[in-house]
Amino acid sequence: GAGVSQSPSNKVTEKGKDVELRCDPISGHTALYWYRQSLGQGLEFLIYFQGNSAPDKSGLPSDRFSAERTGGSVSTLTIQRTQQEDSAVYLCASSLQRAANEQFFGPGTRLTVL
Amino acid sequence: GENVEQHPSTLSVQEGDSAVIKCTYSDSASNYFPWYKQELGKRPQLIIDIRSNVGEKKDQRIAVTLNKTAKHFSLHITETQPEDSAVYFCAASISGGGADGLTFGKGTHLIIQP
Repeated sequence: GAGVSQSPSNKVTEKGKDVELRCDPISGHTALYWYRQSLGQGLEFLIYFQGNSAPDKSGLPSDRFSAERTGGSVSTLTIQRTQQEDSAVYLCASSLQRAANEQFFGPGTRLTVL
Repeated sequence: GENVEQHPSTLSVQEGDSAVIKCTYSDSASNYFPWYKQELGKRPQLIIDIRSNVGEKKDQRIAVTLNKTAKHFSLHITETQPEDSAVYFCAASISGGGADGLTFGKGTHLIIQP
């Protein structure tokens, strides 16, 4: 079946603009995760959804970041008033359920803020 | 929160030799330890994982060991091949992620010399 997909694959934006990143998880996966990977670094956890609910948003880097998930499927990560330090690859992952453990990653969105 | 340290950052081995990557974690409540392989420009992919009720797990040329007392776990790759060249990430979590997601190490760039 289809894996996790993300769009766009690349996004170049100007400082101060808003961007919206999209994640389509594997069908039937109830758990969804967003991570950020800066150049040459590991993955930094941002937020987790169980169904449409995000129980803890404290991993988001600042209040310019927000995320939502509707219908238990597609999720969007929005970054308002982008800054150069937001430049990174944003990865989405999904798992069948929280306790199923294996997280399947999407290809990521490479965000460049000029 | 959880903190994962990974060593070495770069590892170069001759083709056919073994490679060992080591990680330590800080939260004794962590009970799930996956290893991901990420090739250049690709998404991370799970290669092996271990839970805290198991000390060792093998899958062909790959093995992972876990020492709960010392809070460290290691990835062992035997008979290395050119296609093993990639960045490897260890991670730790409680029950697969949930609201805390996976906490990743900073990665090890494994280079297989022909």
